[in-house]
Amino acid sequence: AQTVTQSQPEMSVQEAETVTLSCTYDTSENNYYLFWYKQPPSRQMILVIRQEAYKQQNATENRFSVNFQKAAKSFSLKISDSQLGDTAMYFCAFIHTGNQFYFGTGTSLTVIP
Amino acid sequence: GAVVSQHPSWVICKSGTSVKIECRSLDFQATTMFWYRQFPKQSLMLMATSNEGSKATYEQGVEKDKFLINHASLTLSTLTVTSAHPEDSSFYICSARDGGSGSYNSPLHFGNGTRLTVT
Repeated sequence: AQTVTQSQPEMSVQEAETVTLSCTYDTSENNYYLFWYKQPPSRQMILVIRQEAYKQQNATENRFSVNFQKAAKSFSLKISDSQLGDTAMYFCAFIHTGNQFYFGTGTSLTVIP
Repeated sequence: GAVVSQHPSWVICKSGTSVKIECRSLDFQATTMFWYRQFPKQSLMLMATSNEGSKATYEQGVEKDKFLINHASLTLSTLTVTSAHPEDSSFYICSARDGGSGSYNSPLHFGNGTRLTVT
């Protein structure tokens, strides 16, 4: 069975600082995809970034980047220059062949002005 | 980008009545849609996978007779909560993947969610 673990229920960061959210997963598959979703207070789920497991290069999207360690089954999200609008729940998600996404339990991030 | 519209955003109903929630893919065709339930400060719990033109696949522990799912077209799936009770009060979110992309790396596109309160 696939599992996704986010060990940090809550985190906070000062505005303009950098924060890293951790995510580990367990799978026996070799080809899969990983995603980070953001859920602000509006509760709309927003895709932040995605990573293909077969790519060694870490994905980046503006201020968001990942540290993908396939051997360690780790997929952390780094947010640089944190902004107030980054305050949200962040969910790590995993999918391999098929349709089912597996979500982590979430990390609540608060950006402090 | 792909847009999923969910309606209504919130609904209050009396115990024993039924409530229908609609999920539409606005600019893409979705052969598969997903229905999630989310409790406060918790993760998304997959309830069922809705397949166009066929029966939905329910997750273990989800009552199929209580949560009726219909996916009659490539752009519309509905979730009907039948004989609602206060314990059904929750946040329900639908999502879909762009069936045209043809690859399992397609991200999920989410509706805005429906807050259901059963009194």
